[in-house]
Amino acid sequence: KAGVTQTPRYLIKTRGQQVTLSCSPISGHRSVSWYQQTPGQGLQFLFEYFSETQRNKGNFPGRFSGRQFSNSRSEMNVSTLELGDSALYLCASSFHREVTEAFFGQGTRLTVV
Amino acid sequence: KNEVEQSPQNLTAQEGEFITINCSYSVGISALHWLQQHPGGGIVSLFMLSSGKKKHGRLIATINIQEKHSSLHITASHPRDSAVYICAVRSRTSGSRLTFGEGTQLTVNP
Repeated sequence: KAGVTQTPRYLIKTRGQQVTLSCSPISGHRSVSWYQQTPGQGLQFLFEYFSETQRNKGNFPGRFSGRQFSNSRSEMNVSTLELGDSALYLCASSFHREVTEAFFGQGTRLTVV
Repeated sequence: KNEVEQSPQNLTAQEGEFITINCSYSVGISALHWLQQHPGGGIVSLFMLSSGKKKHGRLIATINIQEKHSSLHITASHPRDSAVYICAVRSRTSGSRLTFGEGTQLTVNP
């Protein structure tokens, strides 16, 4: 069974640009959550998607957005990139929203210059 | 005060030592996760606990729901156990959203 796949693994962008990151969950998993990890703030929740609907959103500005497709694959988009958006972005998939194990992807390391 | 507090932040041990990492949380939870992160970023789920105790190889995780406390134990530690260990909780009302502790950097020396 393939794990959670995030693409791309590494990305360098310039301030002001926008970026789209992709997450393919484990087959059969319908819940996808996104997290940002920085040295200063640790791991912080961005969004949760289930059945193509955003169920939960963390405390991030509107420049951060996401969506989920009918095959459960999810994308997140960051517009007007700032230097502070440099981080490791991780997604986690689980079978359902309730008490089920979370499986993480390898992450996308975004560097904004 | 963070909802999830871990201690210690850093831990250095000699190969073979018994290691304990602690996690305290302040919210009502549906589950607690112990995660492992190696350099390079990927996170591996070690345990998901709702009550009691779980064991996998040399790793043991316990949780006390009344005291809002969990521990991760590593028996006979090995240099390959060197990693960041992260405690994360899923609150009763937050779906699959996880709230994380700051992590414990474990270094096991040969």
